[in-house]
Amino acid sequence: DIQMTQSPSTLSASVGDRVTITCRASQNISPWLAWYQQKPGKAPKLLIHMASSLKSGVPSRFSGRGSGTEFTLTISNLQPDDFATYYCQQYNNNLYNFGQGTKLEIK
Amino acid sequence: EVQLVQSAAEVKKPGESQRISCRASGYIFADYWLAWVRQMPGKGLEWMGVIYPDDADVRYSPSFEGQVTISADKATSTAYLQWNSLEASDTAIYYCARGGDGYNYGAFDFWGHGTLVTVS
Repeated sequence: DIQMTQSPSTLSASVGDRVTITCRASQNISPWLAWYQQKPGKAPKLLIHMASSLKSGVPSRFSGRGSGTEFTLTISNLQPDDFATYYCQQYNNNLYNFGQGTKLEIK
Repeated sequence: EVQLVQSAAEVKKPGESQRISCRASGYIFADYWLAWVRQMPGKGLEWMGVIYPDDADVRYSPSFEGQVTISADKATSTAYLQWNSLEASDTAIYYCARGGDGYNYGAFDFWGHGTLVTVS
């Protein structure tokens, strides 16, 4: 079973900041890595798939990088709407494990 | 427009059976994997399983194999998640989400609004 580990678990930042969340897989999953945003009481939303492809309609301040077992989600110029919980997910071989989540809080 | 409409919240007693649904529209239901995801109160996302409606191929997460049953009805473009005997620990929000097509692995690009199942 592929394990996904996100860091940090919680991140405090201010509007306008640039933040990076890291996701590590227990084995090579390239390029099958997605990032989701979830706000309280709402369903998750897909932001990025194939490690670095932005879903249509997602602001360009979101970007994804990485390969193999290490991946990052970077949010530039944080906006008030970006404070939420973010999850990575691997989707290789019809297995879809999520990371434990990173809560992005306002400093 | 792709939409996944889930059944309403339910309150059940331990030991009861339950089936929740997810009705798809705006795309060819049979041609995409459909996933179920659990979110326990205050916790993260857990993938439960996926179904390919065209041939009813089902893949379960090892954590949920034998605990739930996933099925789909192509005629009504509806997927189901079923329990035979609920436990208090099944209390959670359950989301359905669309995965990849039959040729490619896919992230979950569209999600239902979630169904809250409370077992008490």
